[in-house]
Amino acid sequence: NAGVTQTPKFQVLKTGQSMTLQCAQDMNHNSMYWYRQDPGMGLRLIYYSASEGTTDKGEVPNGYNVSRLNKREFSLRLESAAPSQTSVYFCASRRNSGGEQYFGPGTRLTVT
Amino acid sequence: SQQGEEDPQALSIQEGENATMNCSYKTSINNLQWYRQNSGRGLVHLILIRSNEREKHSGRLRVTLDTSKKSSSLLITASRAADTASYFCATDPGNNRLAFGKGNQVVVIP
Repeated sequence: NAGVTQTPKFQVLKTGQSMTLQCAQDMNHNSMYWYRQDPGMGLRLIYYSASEGTTDKGEVPNGYNVSRLNKREFSLRLESAAPSQTSVYFCASRRNSGGEQYFGPGTRLTVT
Repeated sequence: SQQGEEDPQALSIQEGENATMNCSYKTSINNLQWYRQNSGRGLVHLILIRSNEREKHSGRLRVTLDTSKKSSSLLITASRAADTASYFCATDPGNNRLAFGKGNQVVVIP
């Protein structure tokens, strides 16, 4: 099992450009999550999907959209990137509410 | 939103010593979890303790939970250089989300 995979690993964008971060899990988990990690801020939840077909906002959803394409895949889209979105983005999944989360390796995004 | 808060934020110890980290939170929880993050990597789950449990062990890890004080501690015994990492507590209030603390950087000196 590959677990949780994320692409790309690194990305540099100019202000105003758009991009989609991809995440996939092969553990048949129901719930999937997108976080951003900034120095001194810990992990902050952007969006999550409790099950296939549902998505909900987290703490910091502004400037982002998500798609739960199927049970395996959960993508995060930046429509018009801003320097404030420079961060490391992590995708995570878990089987059900109440259990542990499994994290991907992260995408390091720089917006200039 | 509810968040765990770790204390101390940074810890430097000699190999073989014990490392203790604390986490406080504000609201009721179903469980509390601890994760480790090595530099440049994703988080890895270490241990989960439910709200009706007071102590849990896993290898060299010992976690305690005091729901009356809304606090938890993580003890790593006989630390190794490979334990150098950031450690995060995360609270699960039962809404299918976790709230992470800001993390605790631990450096183990060989």
